[in-house]
Amino acid sequence: NAGVMQNPRHLVRRRGQEARLRCSPMKGHSHVYWYRQLPEEGLKFMVYLQKENIIDESGMPKERFSAEFPKEGPSILRIQQVVRGDSAAYFCASSPAQGRNQPQHFGDGTRLSIL
Amino acid sequence: QQQVKQSPQSLIVQKGGISIINCAYENTAFDYFPWYQQFPGKGPALLIAIRPDVSEKKEGRFTISFNKSAKQFSLHIMDSQPGDSATYFCAAAKTSGSRLTFGEGTQLTVNP
Repeated sequence: NAGVMQNPRHLVRRRGQEARLRCSPMKGHSHVYWYRQLPEEGLKFMVYLQKENIIDESGMPKERFSAEFPKEGPSILRIQQVVRGDSAAYFCASSPAQGRNQPQHFGDGTRLSIL
Repeated sequence: QQQVKQSPQSLIVQKGGISIINCAYENTAFDYFPWYQQFPGKGPALLIAIRPDVSEKKEGRFTISFNKSAKQFSLHIMDSQPGDSATYFCAAAKTSGSRLTFGEGTQLTVNP
């Protein structure tokens, strides 16, 4: 998993607060994906971004969740007014481009806990 | 809804044995099938991947078998080692660069 950097590794928030999760893709990668993993479950796709563009947000909850990948800096997953059900591990993956030979490489995730 | 179903949920194998994990998919548009290995507290790491134009792919002790007509694929771990103890996820995508749809995961324990 070397290369995709996520921070913080652990984040504790109280209900109603905001959570910001950061992802720096591997060097040379311009595509970022966010996935959520609930306890004892598989990963669920949330959003796919390229620099300054959201390509596919079909997995994002309609409210409180947003994502961006600016021209400069990391990708940010933002959760407003967090609730207990938002407690999960959030993983970011990156790839150099879209296409048949571009596997996704994952970071080690951010574990979000809501008190 | 696109789904990938994975079994078994958990698997215990003796050292030196063969570990077999199975997955089935529904969407015939999927054309990329990776397997990921995840250790506690870590992110998924790509193990091996296959496309439907081949029926088998082998990398070291890891082999993917693919049955396009049955829409099934499986991971075989030969000579399983305690260090292989982890959670394994199968996944599928329309292309390797698009969203991955994951199975539910298999927790593998290899006893020494």
